Amino acid sequence: RKEVEQDPGPFNVPEGATVAFNCTYSNSASQSFFWYRQDCRKEPKLLMSVYSSGNEDGRFTAQLNRASQYISLLIRDSKLSDSATYLCVVGGGSQGNLIFGKGTKLSVKP
Amino acid sequence: DTEVTQTPKHLVMGMTNKKSLKCEQHMGHRAMYWYKQKAKKPPELMFVYSYEKLSINESVPSRFSPECPNSSLLNLHLHALQPEDSALYLCASSPRDNYEQYFGPGTRLTVT
Repeated sequence: RKEVEQDPGPFNVPEGATVAFNCTYSNSASQSFFWYRQDCRKEPKLLMSVYSSGNEDGRFTAQLNRASQYISLLIRDSKLSDSATYLCVVGGGSQGNLIFGKGTKLSVKP
Repeated sequence: DTEVTQTPKHLVMGMTNKKSLKCEQHMGHRAMYWYKQKAKKPPELMFVYSYEKLSINESVPSRFSPECPNSSLLNLHLHALQPEDSALYLCASSPRDNYEQYFGPGTRLTVT
């Protein structure tokens, strides 16, 4: 089983749609969880950290289910500018580094 | 300020050249990282420095040589690279291990 697995995508959605990304991780000892977005030919940018209680930032909601080792990201009212690749990232491995999922590409169309 | 800077932005080098990539952060972060990213792939960890000491070397070929002169700076020395080493090289920093990482804009390297 891969360490961090994400929906393969791509997701093609119209403006205004709600879209959900899912991610699972294999290491039950993982301690930190993040979503990053990466635009084409740019660096990854931290979108939000993910907490057990769930967290929301505007149109974005992230949730963590430790029992199922599952992380989600919900984007409401999609904008054209949300088009990017979304990376699920998990930390807390034995070497203290972050493990990246392969990313899910989102295209929001007019 | 969550800025990590990298120079140069673009680099073209021949297989016999020696060059260096530079990374700098002034956020007081104690962990710094080098990643390699190929098109349509996630970043691939190369090296981790924690408190200025090399803590992880992910079996990277010796033609890549990292250096951490001080807590704000990270270099990646390149020598005798191969065309397949062409990629985006990303530097990141983090307050500590397992915390969120902040990435620089990257150096786009082409080896001819």
